[in-house]
Amino acid sequence: DAGVIQSPRHEVTEMGQEVTLRCKPISGHDYLFWYRQTMMRGLELLIYFNNNVPIDDSGMPEDRFSAKMPNASFSTLKIQPSEPRDSAVYFCASRKTISYEQYFGPGTRLTVT
Amino acid sequence: RKEVEQDPGPFNVPEGATVAFNCTYSNSASQSFFWYRQDCRKEPKLLMSVYSSGNEDGRFTAQLNRASQYISLLIRDSKLSDSATYLCVVNWGNQFYFGTGTSLTVIP
Repeated sequence: DAGVIQSPRHEVTEMGQEVTLRCKPISGHDYLFWYRQTMMRGLELLIYFNNNVPIDDSGMPEDRFSAKMPNASFSTLKIQPSEPRDSAVYFCASRKTISYEQYFGPGTRLTVT
Repeated sequence: RKEVEQDPGPFNVPEGATVAFNCTYSNSASQSFFWYRQDCRKEPKLLMSVYSSGNEDGRFTAQLNRASQYISLLIRDSKLSDSATYLCVVNWGNQFYFGTGTSLTVIP
């Protein structure tokens, strides 16, 4: 079975540019999570969806961050405008309702210069 | 106080050694507990769930102490391939809280 798929794997952009990160969860998983990982703060939950509906976005740091899940097999995390402090690895993860075990994608390493 | 706290290490142990990590959590209503492993520049991967009665998977043993609000991971007969960062994860409701990880290096 395919795991969680994320794209791009690496993104380098200039401050002020819009960044869009993409995620395809594991088929049949009805929860999707977006995390950000930095050396200083570790792994932080940004937002999660259940059946394509955003449930908790309290971890989204600012209005510059937005996330959507238009269908069960696709989600995006957008940063507009991007800032150097947004540089981090962004992970998407998914799980089934019946299990609390999350499966992570390979991550997108974002560098904002 | 952080929801989940871990000793960041690093732990440097010789091959064959036994090493143990602890992780404390703040919410007594926490429901589920996990250990994840993360290799350098890779995604976290589920190592094992932690059950109330304790559980073992080969060289790995996980324990839960609800009274003291901590979970532990014991690795016996350490292998070079065990070198990684180990993250403890605590869940309540639909929230998952990750520790910042404990770094382990197994030395030949």
